[in-house]
Amino acid sequence: GAGVSQSPSNKVTEKGKDVELRCDPISGHTALYWYRQRLGQGLEFLIYFQGNSAPDKSGLPSDRFSAERTGESVSTLTIQRTQQEDSAVYLCASSFSGGRSYNEQFFGPGTRLTVL
Amino acid sequence: DAKTTQPTSMDCAEGRAANLPCNHSTISGNEYVYWYRQIHSQGPQYIIHGLKNNETNEMASLIITEDRKSSTLILPHATLRDTAVYYCIVRAHFGNEKLTFGTGTRLTIIP
Repeated sequence: GAGVSQSPSNKVTEKGKDVELRCDPISGHTALYWYRQRLGQGLEFLIYFQGNSAPDKSGLPSDRFSAERTGESVSTLTIQRTQQEDSAVYLCASSFSGGRSYNEQFFGPGTRLTVL
Repeated sequence: DAKTTQPTSMDCAEGRAANLPCNHSTISGNEYVYWYRQIHSQGPQYIIHGLKNNETNEMASLIITEDRKSSTLILPHATLRDTAVYYCIVRAHFGNEKLTFGTGTRLTIIP
């Protein structure tokens, strides 16, 4: 497909376990973002990757959260020692970087994480 | 990024124009107004953006007041598929930086 894909679509885990969420951006998109959306709320920015630059991690809520990106492709968001407050939909977006025009962000369908 | 204020919810009859307001009284000169929407159980989708001139595309029109302190997103002929949460976002234009989402307006199209 041509869109952003995320896996798994749903993840149920026990408190204290580690989870890994995956994002496949649109081919050719150099920018990749992770957001979190708690039930009934807007999106919270987590982290942003742009090419080979150092990622903007300013939105990560604690050191239990980390993310990696391999080149300009797949990204994984890891949450260690999950807590119930981590339950949310985790959304990934990608965008093309070029010129000085606005590059809209294309979002994936999200991963719904439930921590029991 | 400047703060935005939107009504929590709105209803609109199918086939009528849906007008969604947004206040952004602290917007600065280099900040644009962006609109995204999120249909239930999907990721957000870009709609339109503008600086000071009114803008129109295949999805919607964006009307920005002359003082730029508020704007209105117009869906000219709303359909049931336009039922979604609509987010008004203000930020500087350049780069691929994070979007700061508020709680948006939940628009319900009534058959």
